[in-house]
Amino acid sequence: GQQVMQIPQYQHVQEGEDFTTYCNSSTTLSNIQWYKQRPGGHPVFLIQLVKSGEVKKQKRLTFQFGEAKKNSSLHITATQTTDVGTYFCAKRRDYGQNFVFGPGTRLSVLP
Amino acid sequence: SQTIHQWPATLVQPVGSPLSLECTVEGTSNPNLYWYRQAAGRGLQLLFYSVGIGQISSEVPQNLSASRPQDRQFILSSKKLLLSDSGFYLCAWSPAGATEAFFGQGTRLTVV
Repeated sequence: GQQVMQIPQYQHVQEGEDFTTYCNSSTTLSNIQWYKQRPGGHPVFLIQLVKSGEVKKQKRLTFQFGEAKKNSSLHITATQTTDVGTYFCAKRRDYGQNFVFGPGTRLSVLP
Repeated sequence: SQTIHQWPATLVQPVGSPLSLECTVEGTSNPNLYWYRQAAGRGLQLLFYSVGIGQISSEVPQNLSASRPQDRQFILSSKKLLLSDSGFYLCAWSPAGATEAFFGQGTRLTVV
């Protein structure tokens, strides 16, 4: 119904390698947001995507919204140790004014 | 600019004791307010949300309750804590219309 799924659950990469996490929904999304939570910290809003096929970049981070607006991805180029954390996607619920968060992808970066 | 304050940062409470966590938002009016809980290494579970004073929607039936006595104040309470109430509690706000959510620093609750 209202859930969003994320894969992978965990990802361990060597510093300098690329990383991608995927977010999928069974229903069409009006928008998708991405958040980052550092270990021991709170989720921090990164970006929102609203248009079909939209691509946005923040330095080494590239966010993409699928053409059918049912999936999204976050790609990090040349990971650094500062990228460590859990990345969540979230969608606004089809009804009500709240958010449904994916289970997150926990990224570990080995120096 | 808008800021969100949540306290305390850490709390250790015995089983059966009451709980009151407070969250306030500054710099905005009529925000949507949320309480989430996060178990260790897990995702974010929405507990309550509010779109206005006195308006509380509960997502998960449980041992907790929420109140919004003022526009920018959101309180999470329990009369008697259970061991299973341990977790990381996060308050968040969003502009009316619920675009993005902004989280407080969180309260790490351990029930012993």
